[in-house]
Amino acid sequence: KAGVTQTPRYLIKTRGQQVTLSCSPISGHRSVSWYQQTPGQGLQFLFEYFSETQRNKGNFPGRFSGRQFSNSRSEMNVSTLELGDSALYLCASSFDGASGNTIYFGEGSWLTVV
Amino acid sequence: EDQVTQSPEALRLQEGESSSLNCSYTVSGLRGLFWYRQDPGKGPEFLFTLYSAGEEKEKERLKATLTKKESFLHITAPKPEDSATYLCAVQEGGNGGYNKLIFGAGTRLAVHP
Repeated sequence: KAGVTQTPRYLIKTRGQQVTLSCSPISGHRSVSWYQQTPGQGLQFLFEYFSETQRNKGNFPGRFSGRQFSNSRSEMNVSTLELGDSALYLCASSFDGASGNTIYFGEGSWLTVV
Repeated sequence: EDQVTQSPEALRLQEGESSSLNCSYTVSGLRGLFWYRQDPGKGPEFLFTLYSAGEEKEKERLKATLTKKESFLHITAPKPEDSATYLCAVQEGGNGGYNKLIFGAGTRLAVHP
């Protein structure tokens, strides 16, 4: 059974550009959430999608956005990149996000902003 | 405010030297407490979920326990391959909690032969 797949694994962008990251959840999982991991702040919740609807959002500026498609695949977008956006972006999937469902993480996308 | 605190920040053990990692939490309605292992450059690997005080789960050399205020990850006779960062996270209860995990800063474990 394939795990959570994230693409690309590594990317370098310039300040002011935008970036789109992709996540394919485990087959059958309908909930996808995104996290940002940095050395200083640790793992922080960005947002969660279920059945193409955003259910929950963390404390990040509006430059961070996401969406989910009908096949549960998800993308997140960061516009007007800043140096501080350099981080490991992790996607997690779960059957439906209810209590009792295991939450699995992908390997992440490493974003470097120069 | 919901909060997760892990201690110690770093732990160095000799192979075979058992120890425990601590995760204390403050959350409005706990739906689940998760333990993950993270190796450098990789995503968190799921270990355990605990749901109610008194619950215990084991996997190989690891055993996780839960009280109303904290969780412990006990490592028995660790091996060098157990070296990693161990992350604790709580899943909030109530409306909108869903997959929102609040993570602690992690404990970096180094096991030396």
